[in-house]
Amino acid sequence: EIVLTQSPGTLSLSPGERATLSCRASQSVGSSYLAWYQQKPGQAPRLLIYGASIRATGIPDRFSGSGSGTDFTLTISRLEPEDFAVYYCQQYGSSPPITFGQGTRLEMK
Amino acid sequence: EVQLVQSGAEVKKPGESLKISCKGSGYSFSNYWIGWVRQMPGKGLEWMAIIYPGDSDTRYSPSFQGQVTISADKSISTAYLQWSSLKASDTAMYYCARFGSGNYYGSAGYWGQGTLVTVSS
Repeated sequence: EIVLTQSPGTLSLSPGERATLSCRASQSVGSSYLAWYQQKPGQAPRLLIYGASIRATGIPDRFSGSGSGTDFTLTISRLEPEDFAVYYCQQYGSSPPITFGQGTRLEMK
Repeated sequence: EVQLVQSGAEVKKPGESLKISCKGSGYSFSNYWIGWVRQMPGKGLEWMAIIYPGDSDTRYSPSFQGQVTISADKSISTAYLQWSSLKASDTAMYYCARFGSGNYYGSAGYWGQGTLVTVSS
């Protein structure tokens, strides 16, 4: 079973700064089947990135994903106030077919 | 427009059974995997199970195998998650989500609004 470990657990930054979130897999994620989600309080998760680096429809270009194999990164180039939320990575390439990371909380400093 | 509409909040007692639903619209329901995701209070997302309505092929997370049952009725574009005997630890928000198609489990581009299940004596 692939285990996804996200770091840091909490990231404290100010609007305008750059955020770098990490997701490490316990074994290689085939074909870069890695997605990132944003979740705000009281809301369902929203898909940001799939295929490790492809932005979902309507996602601003300040969000970018990179990585392959076991190491993946979500970067938010310049934080907007609405970007402060919890972010999850998810793999969908191996058995069991789907696993989520434990999440990174991005909070405003 | 793709939509997933879930059934309403439930309050149950330990030992009771429950079946919650997720109705899809705006797309070919049979041709996309539908999954259920649990979120316990203040915690992260946990994938539970997934079903392909076209042929009812199912997969379960090892953590939830035997604890819940996923099903779907493609004639009414609805997926279900059911428990035969609830526990207090089943208290959580449950989301359904549309994943990929065919042999591709994919990412979840569409989510339901969530169903809050509270289990308390």
